[in-house]
Order: sequence, then C-alpha cells, then structure tokens
Amino acid sequence: DQQVKQNSPSLSVQEGRISILNCDYTNSMFDYFLWYKKYPAEGPTFLISISSIKDKNEDGRFTVFLNKSAKHLSLHIVPSQPGDSAVYFCAPTQGGSEKLVFGKGTKLTVNP
Amino acid sequence: DTGVSQNPRHKITKRGQNVTFRCDPISEHNRLYWYRQTLGQGPEFLTYFQNEAQLEKSRLLSDRFSAERPKGSFSTLEIQRTEQGDSAMYLCASRRGTTRNEQFFGPGTRLTVL
Repeated sequence: DQQVKQNSPSLSVQEGRISILNCDYTNSMFDYFLWYKKYPAEGPTFLISISSIKDKNEDGRFTVFLNKSAKHLSLHIVPSQPGDSAVYFCAPTQGGSEKLVFGKGTKLTVNP
Repeated sequence: DTGVSQNPRHKITKRGQNVTFRCDPISEHNRLYWYRQTLGQGPEFLTYFQNEAQLEKSRLLSDRFSAERPKGSFSTLEIQRTEQGDSAMYLCASRRGTTRNEQFFGPGTRLTVL
C-alpha cells in the first residue's frame, strides 16, 4: 500500500528551464510535506517544506505547491542548474507521528 | 553543526552474522531516527527516539533488529542473524525541538549480506 507516489522515475530538462516534480499521496492525515534531494553515496538533504495550511511555499529557485483536495504537490525549480541533478523525494508526515513517508523518488537530470 | 555521522560507512558480512551500526546525531538534537533504503525505493522508517526513549517502531523492525540510545546521545542499531534481504542502506537522522521541522540525515551505512 503505497501512500506516496512519485510517478515519474526520471526527468530530463535543459539548463535554465523549469523542472517540475510531482507527488501524489493517499493519506488525508498528512499535514506537513517535505522535499529532499539525494546525491549518490550521500544521505538525503532537506530542500523545502510546506504545511497543509498553506498552498505555496517559496525559497529562492524552489517553490512547492500543495493541492489538498487533489492530494497532490509539486516542486518547481526555476531556473534549473546542472548541480540540481539528483534524486528528489517527496516525504510527508502527519501530526502525532514522527516518521516521514517517502516516495520512490524522481531522478532529475539537468543538461548543460 | 558538524552534521550527523554514521559508522561504519560500509559493512560486508556473511549471512547469519550479527552487525552493529552507530549514529552520532547533531549535538543538541534530542530526536533521532533510523531508516532503511533499498535499491529503487525511498527510505523507509524503522524507529524513532526522543532522548533515550524509543517512542515509535515500524513493523519492519523485526525481532532480529534492536536499536538503543542509552544516554540520549548516540544510537546503535543491531541486526542479529543477518539475512540477504537485510542488504540495504541504513540511514540515521536527527532533529531538535517540538516545532515541525526537517530531519537531518547522515551519509548512511551500506550493508551487504553475502
């Protein structure tokens, strides 16, 4: 029973263009959503988060959008840079639990 | 912040052996987590400590797995009678405070069971 789905295993974009990574979830109790990126042989690194009371959060080149009715969130990276090439994980959590529930990840490749 | 550290970074063992991993969280982080990641999957939650108390455990944490955080600082994860299916990356994370914030992950320990 996969509660978090990242349906695109991979995404390739050109440097300078927008990258859009999507995440769908089934558990309506999730109320805090985090994005992590992971380089090979390293642990996940926190990128940006959003609370369920918001529908948008922005931090520099990174923006996360949350559509609670659709149980969908997306991460926008503008402009994309080659150093953004990594695996991106969506990881929601719910109040009363400390565990993050990770999707399978999307491998982003930004081509120079 | 010196970051979360994990040792060893790599461990190769034979089936049936016991292994132990260590995690040193960021100092002053009272919350510590263990996750496991297998190929092509995202990290899966194993267990959570607040100070020295183990407060949440996943069903993935079978009776062959045990985790401790004796003084509320570093933590150990032991796997007894390892099986080939235990081969994975074992990740430790920590965070502080009661507000909702991110978990900081260590580099992981890669376990290979032959």
